[in-house]
Amino acid sequence: KNQVEQSPQSLIILEGKNCTLQCNYTVSPFSNLRWYKQDTGRGPVSLTIMTFSENTKSNGRYTATLDADTKQSSLHITASQLSDSASYICVVTHTGTASKLTFGTGTRLQVTL
Amino acid sequence: DAGVIQSPRHEVTEMGQEVTLRCKLISGHNSLFWYRQTMMRGLELLIYFNNNVPIDDSGMPEDRFSAKMPNASFSTLKIQPSEPRDSAVYFCASRGTAQTGPQHFGDGTRLSIL
Repeated sequence: KNQVEQSPQSLIILEGKNCTLQCNYTVSPFSNLRWYKQDTGRGPVSLTIMTFSENTKSNGRYTATLDADTKQSSLHITASQLSDSASYICVVTHTGTASKLTFGTGTRLQVTL
Repeated sequence: DAGVIQSPRHEVTEMGQEVTLRCKLISGHNSLFWYRQTMMRGLELLIYFNNNVPIDDSGMPEDRFSAKMPNASFSTLKIQPSEPRDSAVYFCASRGTAQTGPQHFGDGTRLSIL
């Protein structure tokens, strides 16, 4: 069964600190993996996309990694800011069926003073 | 350029009533997705349209749910009759012609069925 599991479920960190969110998937065949950021009361917004051949991709203070062998991805946030408080959702697309996305249930991140 | 626009933002109604959710796609996008999000199950794909044609409706819960695209820029999701278990946030998202491109989400409709 195609699944995407994220950890931790929730996380509280101090402003300025770094954190890493994890995503493990069993989706096959794999096409790509996206990380989305969802602010409270808003729709998700794409942060990064990674294909099979990519190991690392950065978007500002966000860095995503992908290990296609172990089927794991991480999202690292550097020097966190209060505006990083949001849910982060890992989404995996199946090859050849672009509409077939499998969503993780997200990690809820709270950045505090 | 305007993003995906959903209306209403909030809807509260009694069970048994018909509910219609609306979505305006980003200009030039040709794929449209309807999702439902709950705390327990996260985001679930309900239906996917490409060029106004429903491609995958396997996520539509049951016959009470229906979705249409009367034109290339607009879609509706209808629930009739509504039930309390339909309470959730409903998102629509549109995507451009590149199948691997990102989906652009609206801000959702928070639906409460009493």
